[in-house]
Amino acid sequence: AIQMTQSPSSLSASVGDRVTITCRASQHIGSDLGWYQQKPGKPPKLLIFAASTLQSGVPSRFSGAGSGTVFTLTISSLQPEDFGTYYCLQDYGYPRTFGQGTRVEVK
Amino acid sequence: EVQLVESGGALVQPGRALRLSCVGSGFTFADYWMTWIRQAPGRGPEWVANIEENGPKTYSVEGRFIMSRDNAKNSVYLQINSLRADDTAVYYCARDINYHASGRWYDAFDVWGRGTMVTVSS
Repeated sequence: AIQMTQSPSSLSASVGDRVTITCRASQHIGSDLGWYQQKPGKPPKLLIFAASTLQSGVPSRFSGAGSGTVFTLTISSLQPEDFGTYYCLQDYGYPRTFGQGTRVEVK
Repeated sequence: EVQLVESGGALVQPGRALRLSCVGSGFTFADYWMTWIRQAPGRGPEWVANIEENGPKTYSVEGRFIMSRDNAKNSVYLQINSLRADDTAVYYCARDINYHASGRWYDAFDVWGRGTMVTVSS
């Protein structure tokens, strides 16, 4: 199975900060990657798919980049409601696999 | 309103089987791939299985997980056989946009249910 490794595992940042989360794949996956945000007690929410396509209704401060094996999710100006855990998910091969998550705390 | 509602979660003994259901509403169910994803307590999500719009093509993380659908009932199902303690999790069903661009298809799980809890314990 393709392994997805996220970094950092957690971060704490202030409102207005630029935040970047990295996801690395154990093999080439093209642009077959999505990003999800999860808050406690809720299912994950789709933010980005196909590495850089913003899901409808998601604020434009979220952006995705990368291809091949290294991908990033950037929040250009962190807002209080952006707390939660962020996961990447590869859809290049089966089984689909998630990264282990990055917990984001807003100071 | 676009909605998915899972059911069928229960406390079950190891080695038994369980069938989960998910009903969709507010959209043309037969137009979408559907997916099951689970999340064990305190852990990240884990992809379990998916199924194409009209079946029968389906993929799963392991042969014990069998996904099926009945578009006439706007429903997908997940049969889990030989349950183990590490199958304990919230099981979500999700709709897949199955986005097409530049000659490729991309998963994008845009609608999720609230989940149903499966606990495997003797």
